[in-house]
Amino acid sequence: AQSVTQPDIHITVSEGASLELRCNYSYGATPYLFWYVQSPGQGLQLLLKYFSGDTLVQGIKGFEAEFKRSQSSFNLRKPSVHWSDAAEYFCAVGSTGFQKLVFGTGTRLLVSP
Amino acid sequence: DTEVTQTPKHLVMGMTNKKSLKCEQHMGHRAMYWYKQKAKKPPELMFVYSYEKLSINESVPSRFSPECPNSSLLNLHLHALQPEDSALYLCASSQAKTPSTGGYTFGSGTRLTVV
Repeated sequence: AQSVTQPDIHITVSEGASLELRCNYSYGATPYLFWYVQSPGQGLQLLLKYFSGDTLVQGIKGFEAEFKRSQSSFNLRKPSVHWSDAAEYFCAVGSTGFQKLVFGTGTRLLVSP
Repeated sequence: DTEVTQTPKHLVMGMTNKKSLKCEQHMGHRAMYWYKQKAKKPPELMFVYSYEKLSINESVPSRFSPECPNSSLLNLHLHALQPEDSALYLCASSQAKTPSTGGYTFGSGTRLTVV
């Protein structure tokens, strides 16, 4: 069965500093991986997704993620964090034909001045 | 139109009430979903509709009754809920074939409080 682990419950980053959020997945075949962001009381917004091909994917709002099969990881990065990036970030894994995504438990990002 | 619209945004209901949540999309997506999200938790899948037919029910209690009257609309009928059903209810849509590969578009949710 698919599973996703986000080892960091919350992370605090200074505004302007770089960010990396960790995501590890478990799935036997080629996974389809997603990062979503959720502001308080809001729905989920898709930041980026990986299906195949180039292992470094670019997303919206200056985010990128790198798929590393050998490490079963799909970490999210941003070179310079803005205060508006403070939110909950969810990594998710899906697979062809499955009508559901499996979400990680989320990482709350706090941005300090 | 690239949005999923959910109404109402907030709902307070008593345990004996009957209410409905509504979800609408005009992206031509033929799969629609209901998720439940408790505070500080990830979304949990409740129901999946594919081509207006219920394809997945994640063992949800019968006090939640989904309905998909057409390809653009998805309703969730609520009856005799319990306080523990208070949560953010999220609707999502996607392409019906290999939906996971295309990702989901989520609505902003309905914040439900059961008193």
